[in-house]
Amino acid sequence: EVQLVESGGGLVQPGGSLRLSCAASGFTFSSYDMHWVRQLTGKGLEWVSSIGTSGNPYYPDSVKGRFTISRENAKNSLYLQMNSLRAGDTAVYYCARMKRGAYWYFDLWGRGTLVTVSS
Amino acid sequence: DIQMTQSPSSLSASVGDRVTITCRASQSIRSYLNWYQQKPGKAPKLLIYASSSLQSGVPSRFSGSGSGTDFTLTISSLQPEDFATYYCQQSYSMYTFGQGTKLEIK
Repeated sequence: EVQLVESGGGLVQPGGSLRLSCAASGFTFSSYDMHWVRQLTGKGLEWVSSIGTSGNPYYPDSVKGRFTISRENAKNSLYLQMNSLRAGDTAVYYCARMKRGAYWYFDLWGRGTLVTVSS
Repeated sequence: DIQMTQSPSSLSASVGDRVTITCRASQSIRSYLNWYQQKPGKAPKLLIYASSSLQSGVPSRFSGSGSGTDFTLTISSLQPEDFATYYCQQSYSMYTFGQGTKLEIK
C-alpha cells in the first residue's frame, strides 16, 4: 500500500527539541521530493520544509535556523529535527510527497503527528 | 512571499447546490494552483492540480479554473460527503496555502 506514516510527536517544553519521522512505503521514495506541512490547532496549513531528491533542503523564515529536514533513502524515511521549540510551533505535522512534472503538488499525505509545546 | 486569499471563509449550502470558492494570489502564479479537501481529523486530500486538472479518483462534479491571480473551485452538485474545508495552495514560488473555506450544511 502506498502510504506515509509519521511518528515522534509529543509534549515538549519551550526551548526543547523533538525529532519527527515519516516512514514511506509502496513507492520509490528516493524519486520524490518530500515535505513537512503543519496545521496549527483549528487553523490553516503552513509549509514547514522540503528536501529534494538530491538532498537540498528549503525552509520558510518562520523555522529557518531551528528546524532541519533530512532523509534516509535506504530506510525510506524522512525526518524533521526541531530545536528551540516555541508555543507557536504547536501543531499537527504532516509528511507529504510532492509530485513534480510540469506542475508541482502534494499528492500523498500522512495522517500527521501532534506536537505540543507547553510548560 | 506570495499570499493566498480565499473567499468566503465559510459557506452554508444544501445538498444539490452549485458552490464556488475563490482564491486570489498576491502576484501572478500562472497556473501553479492546487486545491485540497480536508475533513475533521484527516489529512488534506488533493482534488485539483495545475488550476484545472482533476486528480485521479476525484468525482467530476469538482472542477477548477483560473490563471494568473484569480482562481475558482466549483462543486457542481453538492453531495453529503463534500462538506469539509477546502484549501488552495500555490507552488509557483515555494509553497503557501489559503486560509481555508469551511463548507457547512445549511
